[in-house]
Amino acid sequence: DAGVTQSPTHLIKTRGQQVTLRCSPKSGHDTVSWYQQALGQGPQFIFQYYEEEERQRGNFPDRFSGHQFPNYSSELNVNALLLGDSALYLCASSPQWGTEAFFGQGTRLTVV
Amino acid sequence: SQQGEEDPQALSIQEGENATMNCSYKTSINNLQWYRQNSGRGLVHLILIRSNEREKHSGRLRVTLDTSKKSSSLLITASRAADTASYFCATDPGGTSYGKLTFGQGTILTVHP
Repeated sequence: DAGVTQSPTHLIKTRGQQVTLRCSPKSGHDTVSWYQQALGQGPQFIFQYYEEEERQRGNFPDRFSGHQFPNYSSELNVNALLLGDSALYLCASSPQWGTEAFFGQGTRLTVV
Repeated sequence: SQQGEEDPQALSIQEGENATMNCSYKTSINNLQWYRQNSGRGLVHLILIRSNEREKHSGRLRVTLDTSKKSSSLLITASRAADTASYFCATDPGGTSYGKLTFGQGTILTVHP
């Protein structure tokens, strides 16, 4: 079992650009959540996808959007990047109405 | 916003000693979870305790939950150098917000060999 996989591992983008991050959930998991973790902080919930729909959303602007595919994999898109979007982006998967979340290794996004 | 506050922010101990980390939260929860993070990488789930439980054990880990005080503690017994990491508590409100974890700021644990 490969667990939760995220790509790419690292990414450098210029302010104003757009970025897409990808996540493959753990086998058998159909719920995917995304978190943003700034340096020295705890992760913050961005949104959660289930059955290809956004089920819950945290306090993030509309520049942050996502998608879930029929195979349960997911993408996180961020438009009009700001310097403050530099962070570690974590994907987590869980079984439907599951309990513990399984996290990927994250994508380190740097906006310059 | 961060729901939880963790205490202490940093903890430095010798191998073999016990490490205790505390977490406080503000709103009602369905469960509380503890995670470990090594060097800014992915989080590893350690233990989950439900709101109707008071104490839970897993190997060298012991977690307590006091819902009346809205607080939890994580005890790692007989610490090892490999336990060096950041530890986070996360609350799950349940209900329509099931799985929407709110994390604390974390405790940085350093175990010296």
